[in-house]
Amino acid sequence: RKEVEQDPGPFNVPEGATVAFNCTYSNSASQSFFWYRQDCRKEPKLLMSVYSSGNEDGRFTAQLNRASQYISLLIRDSKLSDSATYLCVVTPRPVNYGGSQGNLIFGKGTKLSVKP
Amino acid sequence: NAGVTQTPKFRILKIGQSMTLQCTQDMNHNYMYWYRQDPGMGLKLIYYSVGAGITDKGEVPNGYNVSRSTTEDFPLRLELAAPSQTSVYFCASREVGGLYEQYFGPGTRLTVT
Repeated sequence: RKEVEQDPGPFNVPEGATVAFNCTYSNSASQSFFWYRQDCRKEPKLLMSVYSSGNEDGRFTAQLNRASQYISLLIRDSKLSDSATYLCVVTPRPVNYGGSQGNLIFGKGTKLSVKP
Repeated sequence: NAGVTQTPKFRILKIGQSMTLQCTQDMNHNYMYWYRQDPGMGLKLIYYSVGAGITDKGEVPNGYNVSRSTTEDFPLRLELAAPSQTSVYFCASREVGGLYEQYFGPGTRLTVT
């Protein structure tokens, strides 16, 4: 099982649609969870962290289910500018809590294309 | 603040050539990272550093070397370039503690032919 797996996509949706991305992770000791956004031919940028209680930032809602090792991202009222690849990212807990603490494990990403 | 800067933006190498990818950050971050991203794939960690003078291997270190003589700079050296090293290379940095957010440079697109 891959460390971080995401819906392969691509997701093609009309403006205003609600779209959900799913992600599963294999390391049950994983510590921190994030969604990054990557525009075409650009660097990844943090979209939002994911907290156990779930969290919302405007049109974006992230959920974490530690028991199922599952993370989700919901985008409501999608805009053309939301078109990008969304990367599910996990921070593993290293056995020795050494220098690798805070290293990120990236999923392959799910591409979203919002059409007019 | 420039954040994380990388040079060059693009480079074409011939098989067997060597080069250094430069990375500099002006945020006084202790942690720095090098990733590669192949088409349609996630980012894979090549090397990382937790501070000046300290480096460690990531998931895919073969064919690369790094050094960290200052807090600001973290160059990545490719020796004897191979076609398998054709990729986009991203440098990133983060502060100690906090939410582990990493700040990425704009990337270097490398083609080895």
